[in-house]
Amino acid sequence: QVQLQESGPGLVRPSQTLSLNCTVSGGSISSTTYYWSWVRQPPGKGLEWMGYSYYSGSAYYNSSLKSRISISVDTSMNQFSLRLTSVTAADTAVYYCASWAFGSGPNAFDIWGQGTMVTVSS
Amino acid sequence: QSALTQPASVSGSPGQSITISCTGSSSDVGSYNLVSWYQQHPGKAPKLIIYEVTQRPSGVSGRFSGSKSADTASLTISGLQADDEADYYCCSYAGSISLFGTGTKVTVL
Repeated sequence: QVQLQESGPGLVRPSQTLSLNCTVSGGSISSTTYYWSWVRQPPGKGLEWMGYSYYSGSAYYNSSLKSRISISVDTSMNQFSLRLTSVTAADTAVYYCASWAFGSGPNAFDIWGQGTMVTVSS
Repeated sequence: QSALTQPASVSGSPGQSITISCTGSSSDVGSYNLVSWYQQHPGKAPKLIIYEVTQRPSGVSGRFSGSKSADTASLTISGLQADDEADYYCCSYAGSISLFGTGTKVTVL
């Protein structure tokens, strides 16, 4: 059973770069049937898809974040990462990593990490 | 990339059935049978309860069912129970991207 766990700083200064990791356990990040994803949720608000990456590095992003976001996959560490540059208070949110299983899978976000709260503040 | 539209809140009494709508467009909900639904209890991660419009993951109660007509998908919860009180989000594939709905708070009266 694949499990996901987010890690990274809980506080980021405005204009700095937010960096989070998601460690995949119980399975291989090199699986050909998953997109590795980030979803965030500002306090009291709804879910926002941020983007996903295939193990090979092909990535797709929410156009509202496109100039600031990158998602990368590290097969040697069995983890994937989120980088969001030039953050503001509007980027304060719970950040979830999730897997999108496609093909014979459910074609949905079937596995989620527990989420990590990131606050942008000076 | 606009969020899919859901009612902000829906309520019902125990044992009743409720339906949550999720309205998109011909570019997302209307084009793909890849609508999924997620249940989120306070302070918890979302949980997949419906995928590919009508399919239930193993372990999800049969009281949850999904459907779609044109650009609108729907989630029905039958035999409403206290533990169904949560936030519900739809999500649609939209050609290399995903769109979530605005979310619906379900209250069990």
